[in-house]
Amino acid sequence: EAGVAQSPRYKIIEKRQSVAFWCNPISGHATLYWYQQILGQGPKLLIQFQNNGVVDDSQLPKDRFSAERLKGVDSTLKIQPAKLEDSAVYLCASSFGSATYEQYFGPGTRLTVT
Amino acid sequence: QQQVKQSPQSLIVQKGGIPIINCAYENTAFDYFPWYQQFPGKGPALLIAIRPDVSEKKEGRFTISFNKSAKQFSLHIMDSQPGDSATYFCAASDGSSNTGKLIFGQGTTLQVKP
Repeated sequence: EAGVAQSPRYKIIEKRQSVAFWCNPISGHATLYWYQQILGQGPKLLIQFQNNGVVDDSQLPKDRFSAERLKGVDSTLKIQPAKLEDSAVYLCASSFGSATYEQYFGPGTRLTVT
Repeated sequence: QQQVKQSPQSLIVQKGGIPIINCAYENTAFDYFPWYQQFPGKGPALLIAIRPDVSEKKEGRFTISFNKSAKQFSLHIMDSQPGDSATYFCAASDGSSNTGKLIFGQGTTLQVKP
């Protein structure tokens, strides 16, 4: 079974530029999560989708971050404009069920904002 | 109240030793307590999880001990091996929401020396 795929794996941008990350969850997983993991910290949930609907985006900085999950499969997370403090690893995860602790993570995208 | 506090930040043990990682929480609405293991360059992977009505759970060399009255839980790794060297995150699932939102601890970097 293929795991969660993410691209790109690494990205370096200057502040005020925009960037987009892509995620393809495990086939059949209805729930998709985007997490931000700052160096030395645990992952923090940014947004959770159930199929193509948002169920939790309470910690998403909506003035600069946006995410979509078209057709309930792939998802894209965008940052525009980026700030220095956005430097982090952005992890995508998926799960079969909705309210479950059993989540499967992708390898992440390491973003460096200079 | 939504925090999960994890300690120590880092841990070094000899092969065969029993590293212990501790976590504490405040929110009594948390309903599952998973542990995730993360290797460098990889996403976190679910290791083991426990419900608050169970005091201990074992899976292979990994054991969770849970103290509901103290609101604390810990991970023990029996007969630790160099391949166990990784970062370990405790987490808590928010049962008060219908999303199962995971709150992660800050992480513990474990090094097992040969």
